[in-house]
Amino acid sequence: DIVMTQSPFSLAVSEGEMVTINCKSSQSLLSSGNQKNYLAWYQQKPGQSPKLLIYYASTRQSGVPDRFIGSGSGTDFTLTISDVQAEDLADYYCLQHYSSPYTFGAGTKLELK
Amino acid sequence: EVQLVESGGSLVQPGGSLKLSCVASGFTFSNYWMDWVRQTPGKSLEWIGEINTDGSKTNYAPSIKDRFTISRDNAKSTLYLQMSNVKSDDTAIYYCTRPRWFAYWGQGTLVTVSS
Repeated sequence: DIVMTQSPFSLAVSEGEMVTINCKSSQSLLSSGNQKNYLAWYQQKPGQSPKLLIYYASTRQSGVPDRFIGSGSGTDFTLTISDVQAEDLADYYCLQHYSSPYTFGAGTKLELK
Repeated sequence: EVQLVESGGSLVQPGGSLKLSCVASGFTFSNYWMDWVRQTPGKSLEWIGEINTDGSKTNYAPSIKDRFTISRDNAKSTLYLQMSNVKSDDTAIYYCTRPRWFAYWGQGTLVTVSS
């Protein structure tokens, strides 16, 4: 199974700051067939279901603000949130969809400083 | 609008069985693979398994293999999760979701395993 190691566990920020969340996979998520990385990022607010933010490591889902930026390739990935807004306070998860069983990172809690 | 509505969650004793349902609307259900994902009280997300469009192929996470069965009824646009021999570790909110990328999720249904 591919293990997803996500860091940090929690992050305290002020509005307007930039934050980065990291995800490292135990195997490469890069497909040799199409040169795409099978990595996604989700946001989950309290009492809600997860919401897809980014897929293929860097493609923003429709409707997601451009302050959410996904980057990385192979085994190392980053979600950057620039100009953090109060509405961004939530839990964030990475997911590898490269091979079954698909696995999530443990999550990062974004809190207000 | 895509909608996924789970139901069937409840309190169940260890070793018992339970069947969850997920009714889909807003898209042609029979054209899509479907998945189940759960979220434990400790908050982590765990992929449980998937089923192909006609129900002839399933894949499961090792942690639940041989205890859980995913099925579907395309005529009813409904996905099922049959849970057997449940354990306390199976206590979680269970979501149905549509791949690839799990862009759509239901609201979840809570399963509590306790005596």
